[in-house]
Amino acid sequence: GAVVSQHPSWVICKSGTSVKIECRSLDFQATTMFWYRQFPKQSLMLMATSNEGSKATYEQGVEKDKFLINHASLTLSTLTVTSAHPEDSSFYICSARDRRQVLNYGYTFGSGTRLTVV
Amino acid sequence: DAKTTQPPSMDCAEGRAANLPCNHSTISGNEYVYWYRQIHSQGPQYIIHGLKNNETNEMASLIITEDRKSSTLILPHATLRDTAVYYCIVIAGGSYIPTFGRGTSLIVHP
Repeated sequence: GAVVSQHPSWVICKSGTSVKIECRSLDFQATTMFWYRQFPKQSLMLMATSNEGSKATYEQGVEKDKFLINHASLTLSTLTVTSAHPEDSSFYICSARDRRQVLNYGYTFGSGTRLTVV
Repeated sequence: DAKTTQPPSMDCAEGRAANLPCNHSTISGNEYVYWYRQIHSQGPQYIIHGLKNNETNEMASLIITEDRKSSTLILPHATLRDTAVYYCIVIAGGSYIPTFGRGTSLIVHP
């Protein structure tokens, strides 16, 4: 089945530094990837939609200059949290759609990245 | 996409069937019902989906009412590993953005 690899699985960084999270589709091409954020005991909140070769579409309230998304190839999207602060500490999850699964609308999720900013 | 309503929590005895309901009364004709689950500190895992017919796979069964306004996910023989948050979401054919509600926290106990 479709596999999405997300790396790193956890990261601790100092306040003010930047952190990059990678999301790779291992055995399929993903024209579209999604980035979510999840705070403790809450549901997944969509942050942005990442389209290969074009600018990401951000949800209302998500700062595009703070959460930089790059989708340079059909198998890789990256999320960079710039100038991270403790309030950015969260669980970040990516998702990709296998475009071969048009009728099934399959969405595969990464295993998530636990970001802790100290 | 249509909204869904799920009970916030349920519990089930190990080995018994777990029946998780979902209400999607505003579902449109081209919208599919998807079920995912999220085990603690992991990404969501796809379980099953359907349009109007009942579906079964190796993980679960999905029963969709005839009017499509509600559905039930059935885990036939729940195990402790099935303890997770279960999300029912509705996705239209032309909309590729899965959005999540609060889901149902299922606790399977010995």
